[in-house]
Amino acid sequence: GAGVSQSPRYKVAKRGQDVALRCDPISGHVSLFWYQQALGQGPEFLTYFQNEAQLDKSGLPSDRFFAERPEGSVSTLKIQRTQQEDSAVYLCASSLGARLYTDTQYFGPGTRLTVL
Amino acid sequence: EDQVTQSPEALRLQEGESSSLNCSYTVSGLRGLFWYRQDPGKGPEFLFTLYSAGEEKEKERLKATLTKKESFLHITAPKPEDSATYLCAVQETNAGKSTFGDGTTLTVKP
Repeated sequence: GAGVSQSPRYKVAKRGQDVALRCDPISGHVSLFWYQQALGQGPEFLTYFQNEAQLDKSGLPSDRFFAERPEGSVSTLKIQRTQQEDSAVYLCASSLGARLYTDTQYFGPGTRLTVL
Repeated sequence: EDQVTQSPEALRLQEGESSSLNCSYTVSGLRGLFWYRQDPGKGPEFLFTLYSAGEEKEKERLKATLTKKESFLHITAPKPEDSATYLCAVQETNAGKSTFGDGTTLTVKP
């Protein structure tokens, strides 16, 4: 079946621009995660949704970062007034169950954001 | 705060030369430890979940083991197609998020 998809795959933004990154999880998956991966490092947690509820946003680096999942399926990560330090790969992952379960997370290919 | 440290950062092996990758972790209560493989330009691909000390899991040339402080990913007779970055992550009890290490980049030469 179809895996997690993300769009766009690549995004170049000028400093100060707003960007929106989209994630389409595996159909029926309850949980959705966003991670930020800098070059040569492991993914770092940003935020977590269970259906449409954002249960943990402790990893969002500033109030310029905002995520939503209004209908419990597709999610959008928005970054306002982008800065050079926002340049990274943004990964989305989904898992079948709710937070009380140790579910396998399935990752998308990521969106590589470059801020000039 | 959860911490995950992977070593070595990079490992170069000849085809057929077995070795091990290490993942040391600090977590208040472990729900699960995960191993992923990541190829360049792609998202992490799930390999194993380990839940308790003493547990072992195998898949083809890979075998993952877990103690109370660390996990090992043993690679037996690796092939060039095993070249990738291997990531370790821990999930704390009652937490949805996972904390990742920075990975070990494995290169297997024919």
